[in-house]
Amino acid sequence: NAGVTQTPKFQVLKTGQSMTLQCAQDMNHNSMYWYRQDPGMGLRLIYYSASEGTTDKGEVPNGYNVSRLNKREFSLRLESAAPSQTSVYFCASSPSKARLNTEAFFGQGTRLTVV
Amino acid sequence: SQQGEEDPQALSIQEGENATMNCSYKTSINNLQWYRQNSGRGLVHLILIRSNEREKHSGRLRVTLDTSKKSSSLLITASRAADTASYFCAPTYNQGGKLIFGQGTELSVKP
Repeated sequence: NAGVTQTPKFQVLKTGQSMTLQCAQDMNHNSMYWYRQDPGMGLRLIYYSASEGTTDKGEVPNGYNVSRLNKREFSLRLESAAPSQTSVYFCASSPSKARLNTEAFFGQGTRLTVV
Repeated sequence: SQQGEEDPQALSIQEGENATMNCSYKTSINNLQWYRQNSGRGLVHLILIRSNEREKHSGRLRVTLDTSKKSSSLLITASRAADTASYFCAPTYNQGGKLIFGQGTELSVKP
């Protein structure tokens, strides 16, 4: 069982470059999330998708765009990377909305450095 | 703010001791979830307690919920070095679908 798969695992970007972080889940989950985690900090929600075709901003959406391509895939795009976006990015999925008593499953993270 | 606030921020204990961490939140919840994160890895779900439950057990984990005080506690009994990790709570609200985390408690269990 693959669960939640993130690619790439590591990436170095130059300031101003763009890139897309990929996330795919094989558990037929409706909800998917993108978080960032900075050193010594908790996870901050960037974007959330409750179901295919819907997306919603989280706590720190500025500088990011997302696409819920289909039920399996939820991608995160940095259009013009900045050093402040250096972070570890986590994707997660859950069967349904958090209030409906379902747990979330996390990918292993993408370590992004912007120089 | 929708996130829970964990306390303490850091906790260091000896193997075999119990570890208690707390989570406080602001408004009525639907459920509260606890997760563990080993260094550099993704979060792993530990336990979910619903708003109408007061206590829940899973192996060496015991979670309590006091809705009158808007707080929850996670107790790890007979801790092991392998329990060294960061622990996060995530309260979820009746109107919310999102999972939002606090800063976490960093637990260090020394052999």
